[in-house]
Amino acid sequence: SQQGEEDPQALSIQEGENATMNCSYKTSINNLQWYRQNSGRGLVHLILIRSNEREKHSGRLRVTLDTSKKSSSLLITASRAADTASYFCATDERLAGTALIFGKGTTLSVSS
Amino acid sequence: DTAVSQTPKYLVTQMGNDKSIKCEQNLGHDTMYWYKQDSKKFLKIMFSYNNKELIINETVPNRFSPKSPDKAHLNLHINSLELGDSAVYFCASSQVWDPSYEQYFGPGTRLTVT
Repeated sequence: SQQGEEDPQALSIQEGENATMNCSYKTSINNLQWYRQNSGRGLVHLILIRSNEREKHSGRLRVTLDTSKKSSSLLITASRAADTASYFCATDERLAGTALIFGKGTTLSVSS
Repeated sequence: DTAVSQTPKYLVTQMGNDKSIKCEQNLGHDTMYWYKQDSKKFLKIMFSYNNKELIINETVPNRFSPKSPDKAHLNLHINSLELGDSAVYFCASSQVWDPSYEQYFGPGTRLTVT
């Protein structure tokens, strides 16, 4: 199965700064999702963006999707220490049938 | 109320043993999944069940056998455990069998094979 690639792999910022994570994928998709994983926990769904959408907001989260570049970005504004976690993108890349394909994740560390 | 629960949370066992991990969801979802997350946090689908029927069976050794007694439960039995099976195993569920629906994950079971 193909998978998305997030970059950077790790990101360290100060509280109050913005954090941007990128995700690239290989084939056409119907939608892309972002998940958060706190240390030692399961993944939690953050936001879904469909292939016909370019931008979506949810609270301090802003997701963009560029299907021509096969990439997405997740922006977290005014980061807090509680945002420290790993962030994964997941796609329904059509070659994968109906499975979600997860990227390798970006580990975000927000220090106070 | 826990939406997706797994037991046990930690499992330490020796090579060659057989072990099971249980998963239950109280969301009324039709579809359940097992994922394996390795030490580099790479998350890979193993199995997917829809209404108790096996839908996806990725390239997983046949030592792994999922069982879904009803829509709310999906258990994972592993025979003849190997060192390479050490990982965190996540159960998840979604409302229907459609990757455009969000998935709800359990807390994970950390399996250590010695």
